[in-house]
Amino acid sequence: EMELLESGGGLVPAGGSLRLSCTASTSAFTIYAMSWVRRAPGKGLEWLSLVSVSGGRTYYTDSVRDRFTISRDNSKNTLYLQIDSLRAEDTAVYYCSNRGSPNGLYGDASHIWGQGTSVIVSS
Amino acid sequence: SYELTQPPSVSVSPGQTARVTCSGDALPNQYVYWYQHKPGQAPQLIIHEDTRRPSGIPERFSGSSSGTTATLTISGVQADDEADYYCQSADSSATYVVFGGGTKLTVL
Repeated sequence: EMELLESGGGLVPAGGSLRLSCTASTSAFTIYAMSWVRRAPGKGLEWLSLVSVSGGRTYYTDSVRDRFTISRDNSKNTLYLQIDSLRAEDTAVYYCSNRGSPNGLYGDASHIWGQGTSVIVSS
Repeated sequence: SYELTQPPSVSVSPGQTARVTCSGDALPNQYVYWYQHKPGQAPQLIIHEDTRRPSGIPERFSGSSSGTTATLTISGVQADDEADYYCQSADSSATYVVFGGGTKLTVL
């Protein structure tokens, strides 16, 4: 089974930018649509963004649409999340996950998750 | 924006049955997925497509859905089941994903 490893988190000043990466262990990455999800301290899981298998279609939750950019490089088995104009409320653990699978085994579920990377925004 | 509503907390004693509900207007037309999330770990899929259980998930976890409400049932709750549980679905376009607010299960 494919494994995912997020990186790129850290302590960042408010107003700064950050690029998170999610590297897959196998080229199976290229057959999955991929999502970013975060969990802020004391809050629940929040879906942020989705990118299609090819990278040609992207979707965002309304609250991050203007500042977050999702992308992927299938030649590197890597998913990215560019975060600009960081705010204190962006402090969270960021997870990457698949959405669905070509064989539909789990429907549209995210059954593969990384361990997360922590982003702390200092004000 | 579309929302899914869960109770913030549920408490049960070991061996009892816990039920976590998830309400949303689009649920009659969209599948519900359930995840278990423990501190310091990645979320884990425990129910997909309303009622189906992935391999490796204990039979005490089950899901159901009727109308605008889906329910996660945990039978014979164990101490290790203490975690946050999230429902997930999509809006009516089936494109935008949404999570419920999460339910903290406390095993007394």
